[in-house]
Amino acid sequence: NAGVTQTPKFQVLKTGQSMTLQCAQDMNHNSMYWYRQDPGMGLRLIYYSASEGTTDKGEVPNGYNVSRLNKREFSLRLESAAPSQTSVYFCASSVPYEQFFGPGTRLTVL
Amino acid sequence: GDSVTQMEGPVTLSEEAFLTINCTYTATGYPSLFWYVQYPGEGLQLLLKATKADDKGSNKGFEATYRKETTSFHLEKGSVQVSDSAVYFCASQYTGANSKLTFGKGITLSVRP
Repeated sequence: NAGVTQTPKFQVLKTGQSMTLQCAQDMNHNSMYWYRQDPGMGLRLIYYSASEGTTDKGEVPNGYNVSRLNKREFSLRLESAAPSQTSVYFCASSVPYEQFFGPGTRLTVL
Repeated sequence: GDSVTQMEGPVTLSEEAFLTINCTYTATGYPSLFWYVQYPGEGLQLLLKATKADDKGSNKGFEATYRKETTSFHLEKGSVQVSDSAVYFCASQYTGANSKLTFGKGITLSVRP
């Protein structure tokens, strides 16, 4: 079991560029999440998906889009990156009362 | 809305010292409460949880008791080790076992030999 995997691990973008962060889980979980982690802010929910085919906005969705491609995969897209999106991004999946996190993607937008 | 407040950090302790990290929550009703830990360079992982009032969660020598009267879920360990150095997050989950988590800001613990 690989658990939750994320690619890439590091990425540097220029303002205005686009990219997609990939996330996959092999635990057959229904629910998946995208968070961003910023110093002094804790983790903030960007989007989540309660099941295949459904997605909902979290606390900070502006500037992002998501796709729940199938039960395993949940991708996060930045259409036009901004310096304010410099952060560490975590994907997670869950069972009742426990979330499992990937290792994160460190994104820098110049 | 729901919120979780953690004490300000960072915290630096000597090995074998006693640890307390405070966490309080606000919610309408009785959420489930969690402590997650993030070791350097890794994602978060569940440390312990309590799903109803007066429950005590415990794992790896850490404990936390769900106290409804004080809306608190303080994390304690009797004797910390260098390997406990990490960032600790308190979180609440309101209504539904798969609903969203609300995280506190996290606190960095450094344990020196």
